[in-house]
Amino acid sequence: KNEVEQSPQNLTAQEGEFITINCSYSVGISALHWLQQHPGGGIVSLFMLSSGKKKHGRLIATINIQEKHSSLHITASHPRDSAVYICAVRWADNQFYFGTGTSLTVIP
Amino acid sequence: DVKVTQSSRYLVKRTGEKVFLECVQDMDHENMFWYRQDPGLGLRLIYFSYDVKMKEKGDIPEGYSVSREKKERFSLILESASTNQTSMYLCASRTTRYEQYFGPGTRLTVT
Repeated sequence: KNEVEQSPQNLTAQEGEFITINCSYSVGISALHWLQQHPGGGIVSLFMLSSGKKKHGRLIATINIQEKHSSLHITASHPRDSAVYICAVRWADNQFYFGTGTSLTVIP
Repeated sequence: DVKVTQSSRYLVKRTGEKVFLECVQDMDHENMFWYRQDPGLGLRLIYFSYDVKMKEKGDIPEGYSVSREKKERFSLILESASTNQTSMYLCASRTTRYEQYFGPGTRLTVT
């Protein structure tokens, strides 16, 4: 049973486009994390959110606790943004539960 | 910078072999984790450890064991590898503020 849903599963965009990746979860959480995984496997943490909005460079993450939904936005997308983006939620047991990821390809 | 290293990037083993995957972190984190990642399933927790010599089962511990003899090292053991254990294995360590740092992953193929 997958309690963390991401959409879309795959996304292709032209360079410069504004991109949105969505994450929904089933019950209340302690925090939500957005991760990036490049080809080859390494995963890096982008954001940790428990409310509101965070911005880092061209990346923006928002969370709506009432609606149990988070979005990751990429402005002015670039081919180097091509990666798998993973949403992970942390519940009261402090373990992480991961979405299946969104594979993003940005075409020059 | 936190560094998490894994002993191999790619590994090919035969069915029935005993397999050791090692993970080392250099930031004195108490919490360490082993995940496997399969297409369409996301990352799933195999085992985790909150301290030296402590281990806890995750969601899919069957067919695996772990060892944590030193704080910086967390080993995953496949006692008798099977083809359904072909996967990407990712180790992570975590701060007390829940920031997770992942290793580069080991892609294991069992033939």
